[in-house]
Amino acid sequence: DTAVSQTPKYLVTQMGNDKSIKCEQNLGHDTMYWYKQDSKKFLKIMFSYNNKELIINETVPNRFSPKSPDKAHLNLHINSLELGDSAVYFCASSQGTRGETQYFGPGTRLLVL
Amino acid sequence: GEDVEQSLFLSVREGDSSVINCTYTDSSSTYLYWYKQEPGAGLQLLTYIFSNMDMKQDQRLTVLLNKKDKHLSLRIADTQTGDSAIYFCAERGGGFKTIFGAGTRLFVKA
Repeated sequence: DTAVSQTPKYLVTQMGNDKSIKCEQNLGHDTMYWYKQDSKKFLKIMFSYNNKELIINETVPNRFSPKSPDKAHLNLHINSLELGDSAVYFCASSQGTRGETQYFGPGTRLLVL
Repeated sequence: GEDVEQSLFLSVREGDSSVINCTYTDSSSTYLYWYKQEPGAGLQLLTYIFSNMDMKQDQRLTVLLNKKDKHLSLRIADTQTGDSAIYFCAERGGGFKTIFGAGTRLFVKA
């Protein structure tokens, strides 16, 4: 069974479009994260939710809006996509917020043309 | 601010030991991690160490932590071609964030 799953795996879209990426975890964790990995493999935290509450909100354009309908899901909606948004977006989850191991999804490869 | 640094590349011969080094700045780090990323895949946790430990061994993997120098290393014994990947060092400080290094690309030559 997949622990952390993301859909879609690949996303190719035009500049200016709005798109969503979905994440689900079946580990029973209470904390979920979105990371962005650029072409040089730098991995940066974007958002984190604990029990559906936003606890980390890094300096990210407000075109990015996370939504957590329940503890098992954390979706990422991106408005007015730009070329610089092209990256791999990873979802992760953990139990707790104090340093517990994070489990990563397979990534969503976003290409904005 | 918090920062994690690692060298970007390491090349070893199959059968040799690999040592990947990492330095961090947050003196309040509680957990330090090593993740592995294979091409086209997500990050997979390899091992982690609590900040009150000096060493942790897990089969072919040995993690050494020098808390005074804020230096973490990962040693892979008998490196195989399947170990070729990007290895990320990460630290968890007093806040909620886990800070990742830029990743060390390990190339294993047959």
